[in-house]
Amino acid sequence: GENVEQHPSTLSVQEGDSAVIKCTYSDSASNYFPWYKQELGKGPQLIIDIRSNVGEKKDQRIAVTLNKTAKHFSLHITETQPEDSAVYFCAASGNTPLVFGKGTRLSVIA
Amino acid sequence: DVKVTQSSRYLVKRTGEKVFLECVQDMDHENMFWYRQDPGLGLRLIYFSYDVKMKEKGDIPEGYSVSREKKERFSLILESASTNQTSMYLCASRKTYEQYFGPGTRLTVT
Repeated sequence: GENVEQHPSTLSVQEGDSAVIKCTYSDSASNYFPWYKQELGKGPQLIIDIRSNVGEKKDQRIAVTLNKTAKHFSLHITETQPEDSAVYFCAASGNTPLVFGKGTRLSVIA
Repeated sequence: DVKVTQSSRYLVKRTGEKVFLECVQDMDHENMFWYRQDPGLGLRLIYFSYDVKMKEKGDIPEGYSVSREKKERFSLILESASTNQTSMYLCASRKTYEQYFGPGTRLTVT
């Protein structure tokens, strides 16, 4: 089955800097790659996703890139703000339930 | 706006009790999921359902059962709660790609 590895597990950045979180997946049949943000005491919130027919997608300060050949995808957050502090999860799936990475705790230091 | 609701935010039960966690979605989604979330272990799939009255085991189904009598409602049942089932429980629903989570139920079994 699918296996998703996520790095780093924790990340601290200065406000205004960029943050990058990386994930790898194992199943070449996976074709959908969402990213979730989870704030303390809340359920994960879908923030951006990408399908395997595109290599990059951007939404304001966040972007996701996908390299199907290498089986890895990344989340990029630019101009980080304190409200970006949260746990971020990547996931992957084909015609199966989403498989999640173990999460990255991002801290944005003002 | 997409909405997944869970019956309780916090729940305290005693060992051996039967526990029901309820989840309702208003998006007419066919697919519904139950996860548990524990520190360091990420999101683990317990059970899922692709249609009314059908269910599939996820990665950690032992000690749990589910019920899906109506399309919008998916219940997780702990037949005899144990202390190792103390966790955050998250429900989610999905049509094709995008998956949306509820706010979670933090269950403590004493």
